[in-house]
Amino acid sequence: KNEVEQSPQNLTAQEGEFITINCSYSVGISALHWLQQHPGGGIVSLFMLSSGKKKHGRLIATINIQEKHSSLHITASHPRDSAVYICATLHGGSQGNLIFGKGTKLSVKP
Amino acid sequence: NAGVTQTPKFRVLKTGQSMTLLCAQDMNHEYMYWYRQDPGMGLRLIHYSVGEGTTAKGEVPDGYNVSRLKKQNFLLGLESAAPSQTSVYFCASSTVRNSPLHFGNGTRLTVT
Repeated sequence: KNEVEQSPQNLTAQEGEFITINCSYSVGISALHWLQQHPGGGIVSLFMLSSGKKKHGRLIATINIQEKHSSLHITASHPRDSAVYICATLHGGSQGNLIFGKGTKLSVKP
Repeated sequence: NAGVTQTPKFRVLKTGQSMTLLCAQDMNHEYMYWYRQDPGMGLRLIHYSVGEGTTAKGEVPDGYNVSRLKKQNFLLGLESAAPSQTSVYFCASSTVRNSPLHFGNGTRLTVT
């Protein structure tokens, strides 16, 4: 069974800091998702990747398939980045059901 | 373009009552999912559908039923609610198996 572990569980940063959130998984996957859950509860998809690196604005996601590890980086963090960031993996043989990590709660202080 | 819409947003039920949660998407997505989110746990899949008229069990299907009679709608039913079903329920959809998910805003359900 695939286990998805995120670290840290909680993270507090000062505005402007560079932030890294980590995600490790235990079995081979076909894709990895990064999601953001706002304080109000809504969930949005940030990235879906199966290799290499993707960038969108100040957000960068990387994945190392051999090491079964992904990172989400936020450059020049801002209080509006405060949210829960969730990693989820898709197995190669599954019909689309993801395995989710428990999330990393980020708080960026002004 | 509404995306994924869940109704209702909040609901309080007494043990043993029944209810249906509705998920509607206007993006012509094939795949639809129902998840529950509980404190300290990751999202867990209840049921999913890979197309109109099809449904399948996820990780935690007991106590729930689903139907996908129309491609745009995915209904989640609780026939006899239990306090253990107190949770926040999220619906999501995607075009194909390996594509980004679009989430609804969630339904907060309390069973007393």
